[in-house]
Amino acid sequence: EPEVTQTPSHQVTQMGQEVILRCVPISNHLYFYWYRQILGQKVEFLVSFYNNEISEKSEIFDDQFSVERPDGSNFTLKIRSTKLEDSAMYFCAPTRYREVDTQYFGPGTRLTVL
Amino acid sequence: EDQVTQSPEALRLQEGESSSLNCSYTVSGLRGLFWYRQDPGKGPEFLFTLYSAGEEKEKERLKATLTKKESFLHITAPKPEDSATYLCAVQIYNQGGKLIFGQGTELSVKP
Repeated sequence: EPEVTQTPSHQVTQMGQEVILRCVPISNHLYFYWYRQILGQKVEFLVSFYNNEISEKSEIFDDQFSVERPDGSNFTLKIRSTKLEDSAMYFCAPTRYREVDTQYFGPGTRLTVL
Repeated sequence: EDQVTQSPEALRLQEGESSSLNCSYTVSGLRGLFWYRQDPGKGPEFLFTLYSAGEEKEKERLKATLTKKESFLHITAPKPEDSATYLCAVQIYNQGGKLIFGQGTELSVKP
């Protein structure tokens, strides 16, 4: 099972502030999926990312969100102006192939917006 | 609309008391059905993938089965360490590989 690390493990921010969540995979991961889970609710797909481009995004992934691979290894999810309802666990799940590979989830970042 | 429904929402068992969790789905073009285990505050931990009706997979006390409309996760003689939330997710053809999750079943096993 691939190892994935996510940083920070917990982020507390004020409403309206920008946050950057990071995901660091082991090698050979080409596709990235980001999901979020609001406390007590189901895991929801946010966006998939391949070759420095967004492959697919959900309705949740609006203009406040962006993803990128800034340095060739880390993957980041940025929320430009956080809202109270962005409080959730955010998980990344890298895979080697688009649809035929199992998604192993990272430990998550808990985002708390005050 | 593609939907995944899990039942029951919560299940309390005594240690050794076998039971089953259900995941029913209504999707267009199922590519695969996935079972994950999630402990509080942690990321989902992969358990099984099932691809076609009739397929079964086992891991220790867990066995997953798949029909054309639902999947079952059978837990045989559970132990307290099996306590967790069990998540079912589906992947649909030509939708980029994203997973659509059910709400989960929270399992509690008492000694």
